[in-house]
Amino acid sequence: VLTQTPLVSPVTLGQPASISCRASESLVHSDGSTLLTWLHQRPGQPPRLLIYKISNRFSGVPDRFSGSGAGTDFTLTISRVEPEDVGFYYCMQATQFPVTFGQGTRLEIK
Amino acid sequence: QVYLVESGGGLVQPGTSLRLSCLASGFTFSDFDLHWVRQAPGKGLEWLGFVSYDGSNQFHGVSVKGRISISRDNSKRTASLHLTGLNAEDSGVYYCAKGDFGGPSITDSFDVWGRGTLVTVSS
Repeated sequence: VLTQTPLVSPVTLGQPASISCRASESLVHSDGSTLLTWLHQRPGQPPRLLIYKISNRFSGVPDRFSGSGAGTDFTLTISRVEPEDVGFYYCMQATQFPVTFGQGTRLEIK
Repeated sequence: QVYLVESGGGLVQPGTSLRLSCLASGFTFSDFDLHWVRQAPGKGLEWLGFVSYDGSNQFHGVSVKGRISISRDNSKRTASLHLTGLNAEDSGVYYCAKGDFGGPSITDSFDVWGRGTLVTVSS
């Protein structure tokens, strides 16, 4: 089970934001990798890959996005929120089946 | 251009079944697993299952186990989801996603998503 906090994050433009994802058990695979992903979903659009394997930005993702953590506790940080960052953020684990998602965090502009 | 396109959604009667398709383009389809994820209206993401790159293996989510089958035809770059015994809780947007896992993978995640197809289960 992946638990995200907060569920709603009101943020001022240009200010930082962070979202936490806590797993009920370690997400470290037997091969040593940790398949923890962050996804972003804008209203009316499909999810898109932001961060993979805890801290790697996917192609085209701005460097204001960063991921950190290990084991069971992970964080997505946006250093300076831009208008296009609104929407839902989901953490996802693929270390073991079934693949599971956090409940989602809605990022909104104050 | 790399993309996935789902089709087959619409209004379906409770108790019946649905078959959705996912057409891939822009990458070597036969090299990658194909996953299905759905999203009920106003809700979060739910993983339904996957079919392995060569179609030899499937794994299904708990909520649809026993009602779901996923297949693929690599010659047509298409994957299919078949879901039976539909009820209102099966309504939502169904996405297919490319699974970049194992071997020479980079992300070990879902790196390409389709735009989804809406299924509404109602009489």
